[in-house]
Amino acid sequence: GGIITQTPKFLIGQEGQKLTLKCQQNFNHDTMYWYRQDSGKGLRLIYYSITENDLQKGDLSEGYDASREKKSSFSLTVTSAQKNEMAVFLCASSLGGEDTQYFGPGTRLLVL
Amino acid sequence: GDQVEQSPSALSLHEGTDSALRCNFTTTMRSVQWFRQNSRGSLISLFYLASGTKENGRLKSAFDSKERRYSTLHIRDAQLEDSGTYFCAAVPTGFASALTFGSGTKVIVLP
Repeated sequence: GGIITQTPKFLIGQEGQKLTLKCQQNFNHDTMYWYRQDSGKGLRLIYYSITENDLQKGDLSEGYDASREKKSSFSLTVTSAQKNEMAVFLCASSLGGEDTQYFGPGTRLLVL
Repeated sequence: GDQVEQSPSALSLHEGTDSALRCNFTTTMRSVQWFRQNSRGSLISLFYLASGTKENGRLKSAFDSKERRYSTLHIRDAQLEDSGTYFCAAVPTGFASALTFGSGTKVIVLP
């Protein structure tokens, strides 16, 4: 087995601030993902990465940057936080693109 | 438009009864996954299907292998711990890893 760790658990930011969320997995999975979930809604893909140093844009990539520094970690940056923004950011990983995705516990963002 | 349409959006059922959730796809999908999200937000993978059916305890899922345009999740003998929001997510044919999620079915199991 393995786990996915996301830090921080809660993130409170100011409007216009650059904010970075981190994700680590010890499954030794190749593919990692970042999703955003707004309250009461489904998940939307922001970025994914099929291997170290690879980046692929999802439907929601505008306003975000991502970085796959090494196989086990994938970070997401909100380039300019929007006032009143509130969402949960979920990181996931899978062995390959076709395999089951396993999710981390999420980072809850609130922008004041 | 939305590629993954889940129904119903909400469902209440009594303990011991059976029910089914459905996902319709507006395009052919390569594979489908079903997840359950609990009240704390944790998302657990239930099934991954490239075709056919899979069963795990009281849960059973099917993915239409011919048309690849819908999937179902059956809950048999519902228990209180089955409560949560169920999401299906699918990968369109011709795309590499891009899972598209439905908007979820909120299931409440009543005693």
